[in-house]
Amino acid sequence: GESVGLHLPTLSVQEGDNSIINCAYSNSASDYFIWYKQESGKGPQFIIDIRSNMDKRQGQRVTVLLNKTVKHLSLQIAATQPGDSAVYFCAENTGGGADGLTFGKGTHLIIQP
Amino acid sequence: GAGVSQTPSNKVTEKGKYVELRCDPISGHTALYWYRQSLGQGPEFLIYFQGTGAADDSGLPNDRFFAVRPEGSVSTLKIQRTERGDSAVYLCASSRQPNTEAFFGQGTRLTVV
Repeated sequence: GESVGLHLPTLSVQEGDNSIINCAYSNSASDYFIWYKQESGKGPQFIIDIRSNMDKRQGQRVTVLLNKTVKHLSLQIAATQPGDSAVYFCAENTGGGADGLTFGKGTHLIIQP
Repeated sequence: GAGVSQTPSNKVTEKGKYVELRCDPISGHTALYWYRQSLGQGPEFLIYFQGTGAADDSGLPNDRFFAVRPEGSVSTLKIQRTERGDSAVYLCASSRQPNTEAFFGQGTRLTVV
């Protein structure tokens, strides 16, 4: 969902459950997408990326799905752990090599014990 | 060091003063990006360097902001006549090539009083 001002969307899951974080991106010309994790007081940390010629990519405990038809990106985290608590951002790059990333507003993932 | 290094980690300055923020990218990374992040928001793109040249400075909010990367490695973001609205965390990222995995530093928290 979209956030307003300081109020980030929040997803609360039980430890050990799977988490799915969704993101709607803005530019149909975007060809590269990244998920970042950001803990309080730290810079964004790369999790996983995907290019527009793919619709799924898997990493360690994480999977990114890309649906270009509806401009939707999701991050699935398997067996969530307390250390997964953070704000998660999706970011897109419109390509051409010259532009920086455009970040979404972020989702706050909270892991319940 | 192994990661992107930003100094200082915190900077408090008075309104109207000039500040410089420094970024040491990962060695060998040709692409360098500056972003600004306000509380509760995702990072916003400011400027991108490929080597020594600013390939895209479309994100700089006004002419009080300027950045350099004279030798294609360290970059300095310069803000003149600071305003209270400039208060934010300024993030630097680097990548081996454009449109590839970008690594972020911890950021410089700028507070203008």
